[in-house]
Amino acid sequence: DAKTTQPNSMESNEEEPVHLPCNHSTISGTDYIHWYRQLPSQGPEYVIHGLTSNVNNRMASLAIAEDRKSSTLILHRATLRDAAVYYCILREANNAGNMLTFGGGTRLMVKP
Amino acid sequence: ETGVTQSPTHLIKTRGQQVTLRCSSQSGHNTVSWYQQALGQGPQFIFQYYREEENGRGNFPPRFSGLQFPNYSSELNVNALELDDSALYLCASSLGEVSTDTQYFGPGTRLTVL
Repeated sequence: DAKTTQPNSMESNEEEPVHLPCNHSTISGTDYIHWYRQLPSQGPEYVIHGLTSNVNNRMASLAIAEDRKSSTLILHRATLRDAAVYYCILREANNAGNMLTFGGGTRLMVKP
Repeated sequence: ETGVTQSPTHLIKTRGQQVTLRCSSQSGHNTVSWYQQALGQGPQFIFQYYREEENGRGNFPPRFSGLQFPNYSSELNVNALELDDSALYLCASSLGEVSTDTQYFGPGTRLTVL
């Protein structure tokens, strides 16, 4: 899986939007962009994924740059419960087996 | 909604011992993967089982082995424990082995090797 680059940490105020960036300049045409997050003392949980178009679900939105070399996870109104480490992961669509290659992720801190 | 459980929650072993960690996947999930997460780092892939056969392995030595059973449970066995094996061990299950399948993680087992 191709490599991603994320800031080590970010801070946000409660009830404000949060934009978590991810750079993946070596992404290939068949790589999906996945986001997982890991709340304190828990295993990672799936957040969202996309290929080319922007995606929305009940947890977040994913904005993908036109050249696909970067993406942004958007939390529309951060809550204290959103404090977690967020991982941006590329997964090759044609790869048999579905291992996840985690980087260091971004630690999001939410202030009340 | 994950439905993935792991046991035990915490475990303390001494160097050279052997350990077995257990995972119960979501019903109907044919794939289970195991990850090792050292403190302050992202999880690292150990191996994956699909329908009771290993079909992918990360950069871990053979003393890390596993089993998957027909009842959606699985085991991670580690022989000859080393101090560096101290970590959180996570299992994750998914429906199949397609690379876009969502993985559902358990809460992990914290292993401490003294």
